[in-house]
Amino acid sequence: AQSVTQPDIHITVSEGASLELRCNYSYGATPYLFWYVQSPGQGLQLLLKYFSGDTLVQGIKGFEAEFKRSQSSFNLRKPSVHWSDAAEYFCAIYRTNDYKLSFGAGTTVTVRA
Amino acid sequence: DAMVIQNPRYQVTQFGKPVTLSCSQTLNHNVMYWYQQKSSQAPKLLFHYYDKDFNNEADTPDNFQSRRPNTSFCFLDIRSPGLGDAAMYLCATSRAAGGLDEQYFGPGTRLTVT
Repeated sequence: AQSVTQPDIHITVSEGASLELRCNYSYGATPYLFWYVQSPGQGLQLLLKYFSGDTLVQGIKGFEAEFKRSQSSFNLRKPSVHWSDAAEYFCAIYRTNDYKLSFGAGTTVTVRA
Repeated sequence: DAMVIQNPRYQVTQFGKPVTLSCSQTLNHNVMYWYQQKSSQAPKLLFHYYDKDFNNEADTPDNFQSRRPNTSFCFLDIRSPGLGDAAMYLCATSRAAGGLDEQYFGPGTRLTVT
């Protein structure tokens, strides 16, 4: 079954420090992968997506993600976090068997001053 | 400008009392989705409409129903809410069906069941 796992439930990072959120996927072929962000009290917003091609994907809000087939990973990074980056981040995979999105459990990011 | 609007943002209902959540969109998208998101969990798809075609997820309880009277509006009806139905309910839209198209989410309605 096509699925994603986010190993970290909660990450705390200092403002200005770098951030990396992990996402591991399970799928034998090339997956279609997404990262969404959910700010407190808000809906989800698409940060970036990977379908094929360049394995380093640039997104909005200064985020990027790198697809690594050898590690079955699609980790999200930001070089310098801002207090407004405090949110919940969801990795998702497009399931080709039923054409639906399957979300990971999410990683909550806290930014300290 | 809000593109996917959900009303109300917070809803309190009593155990067993029917409740309706509303979603509207200004994007003119063909597909509208309803997700249930419990605390600290991933969103779970309940059902979606492609135009007027209703698609129910196999594990969505019969207690949950939906209506889409026109392109812009979609409603989630919970016929007899239980305590376990307390959650955030997210509406989303996409231009095309199939999951690859970007989904645009509303801010959600937080449902409390007393």
